[in-house]
Amino acid sequence: GIQVEQSPPDLILQEGANSTLRCNFSDSVNNLQWFHQNPWGQLINLFYIPSGTKQNGRLSATTVATERYSLLYISSSQTTDSGVYFCAVSPLMNRDDKIIFGKGTRLHILP
Amino acid sequence: DSGVTQTPKHLITATGQRVTLRCSPRSGDLSVYWYQQSLDQGLQFLIQYYNGEERAKGNILERFSAQQFPDLHSELNLSSLELGDSALYFCASSALGVRGSAPLHFGNGTRLTVT
Repeated sequence: GIQVEQSPPDLILQEGANSTLRCNFSDSVNNLQWFHQNPWGQLINLFYIPSGTKQNGRLSATTVATERYSLLYISSSQTTDSGVYFCAVSPLMNRDDKIIFGKGTRLHILP
Repeated sequence: DSGVTQTPKHLITATGQRVTLRCSPRSGDLSVYWYQQSLDQGLQFLIQYYNGEERAKGNILERFSAQQFPDLHSELNLSSLELGDSALYFCASSALGVRGSAPLHFGNGTRLTVT
């Protein structure tokens, strides 16, 4: 099955810093989504981004489907950005509707 | 608030028991997904339903089963529970079920502790 790899696995930054999180996938996908799991365990959908670039405030995401990767940019980090960031993909060749998650990047923003 | 409701929030039970987790999707969403997240682990896909029919199956144990009812709510049944089944169980819904063609929205999860 498809492999979804996220890097780095862990990231510690000072408040105000910028960061780039990466998601690589081994096969073609129908779409890609980014999620943030906050320290209370809630999972929030950040972006639904099969291709191209989207921005939402300090966050933006870019997916280059032909090269099988996506990037999540966080600018001017705040402590509330801490948590785990997951990317999730729906494999193009699947006959079913599975959505597969990577193992996540754990981000810790220091005040 | 994602609009996806999961009950109960917490569940503590003993090994060998059976429990039922409930999920109400967002209004209008036809597709329901179930995921398991063990401590400090990623999200493992269990099963997906679309408009009452099972559409995709992941690494779901035979002791686990699920269904989606005509009103679109879903239940995940876990039986003969083992200590290793302790985890956070998430339900998510989306408007469509065709190859993830709509954003996924998660409930707040049910934390299951098996003692």
